[in-house]
Amino acid sequence: DSGVTQTPKHLITATGQRVTLRCSPRSGDLSVYWYQQSLDQGLQFLIQYYNGEERAKGNILERFSAQQFPDLHSELNLSSLELGDSALYFCASSVGQGSPYEQYFGPGTRLTVT
Amino acid sequence: LAKTTQPISMDSYEGQEVNITCSHNNIATNDYITWYQQFPSQGPRFIIQGYKTKVTNEVASLFIPADRKSSTLSLPRVSLSDTAVYYCLVADTGRRALTFGSGTRLQVQP
Repeated sequence: DSGVTQTPKHLITATGQRVTLRCSPRSGDLSVYWYQQSLDQGLQFLIQYYNGEERAKGNILERFSAQQFPDLHSELNLSSLELGDSALYFCASSVGQGSPYEQYFGPGTRLTVT
Repeated sequence: LAKTTQPISMDSYEGQEVNITCSHNNIATNDYITWYQQFPSQGPRFIIQGYKTKVTNEVASLFIPADRKSSTLSLPRVSLSDTAVYYCLVADTGRRALTFGSGTRLQVQP
């Protein structure tokens, strides 16, 4: 158990809909990262927050947004969902904001868009 | 974005040493290189990290040459439970975005 929790574990929704994925970091960790893992794309970095502020951004689609709240939990919002958004979404946390990136990953949320 | 290259798969037998190399360019000068292990349907798990030369912990060693254009994860005396996918993680120079390698699927046989 990494100490990172993600909800829900599974999510099935239809194209065009909007969903919110939730992540609670390990106690004491200030950084939260979001990743997308699909079969043909591997692990893709989406975005990082540190203590409530956006710190780094990967190739995150404009339909996706995230935020980190004062209690340090984070939410990833996915809107106008497409079939290609079906994937495992992982959240990770770390103590610091930069290197070294010793991240602790949650169990993931499996999103299925039908 | 930083570019990374890893072998798609490797096969080994129990008790052997396995070396997995990740080639990476355009990475942040002052950032560490990190390696993760992932089992099916689980989140990646941190193995080891290093900046240069050699780092060793209780499960692996990491070799990084002076030019930092590659890194090699060394797993001594692998067992069946080491069957997993192994990823390198680097940071892009300037943008601070992170790039995972494409992953190397290691299959350990008895």
